[in-house]
Amino acid sequence: DAGVTQSPTHLIKTRGQHVTLRCSPISGHKSVSWYQQVLGQGPQFIFQYYEKEERGRGNFPDRFSARQFPNYSSELNVNALLLGDSALYLCASSNPAGGPSGELFFGEGSRLTVL
Amino acid sequence: SQQGEEDPQALSIQEGENATMNCSYKTSINNLQWYRQNSGRGLVHLILIRSNEREKHSGRLRVTLDTSKKSSSLLITASRAADTASYFCATANYGQNFVFGPGTRLSVLP
Repeated sequence: DAGVTQSPTHLIKTRGQHVTLRCSPISGHKSVSWYQQVLGQGPQFIFQYYEKEERGRGNFPDRFSARQFPNYSSELNVNALLLGDSALYLCASSNPAGGPSGELFFGEGSRLTVL
Repeated sequence: SQQGEEDPQALSIQEGENATMNCSYKTSINNLQWYRQNSGRGLVHLILIRSNEREKHSGRLRVTLDTSKKSSSLLITASRAADTASYFCATANYGQNFVFGPGTRLSVLP
């Protein structure tokens, strides 16, 4: 079975632009979470979605938004990019959802560089 | 915050030696998990220990949890060069999301 897939793997944007990152969870997983990992630090929680509803949001500005589609795939959108948004963006799926009681399965991430 | 904090930040050992890294956290948890990350790649789940468990084994991995001290340790026995990676603990409480620590960078020298 395919694992969590993310696209694109690498991208370069300039300040003020917008970016959309995509994630497909493991088949049968209904929960998707997004994390931001700045170089040298641990992943920071951004959003969790389950059954197309937002179940949790981390301490990120409103420039960050996400959604989950009926097939459980997800998009993370970041508007008005800042240099500090440069990071590895990780998507993780899990099953069952509701509470984060089980393990997270991570994709390989999308490396965003903002110039 | 229930953020986990790993210690040490970096660890360098020889192949065949044991590696021990620690994690401390601040609030009550449902479970604690350890993840591994090879440079710039996604995280891989290693082991989960629930709040009512004190020790757990998986292959060369041994995890302990002391809820009274709000701490956990991960022991990797007979380390190999392939164990070189960053290791993160993640804590979770009921109805809340995972919080990751800053990680321990392990280097295993051949």
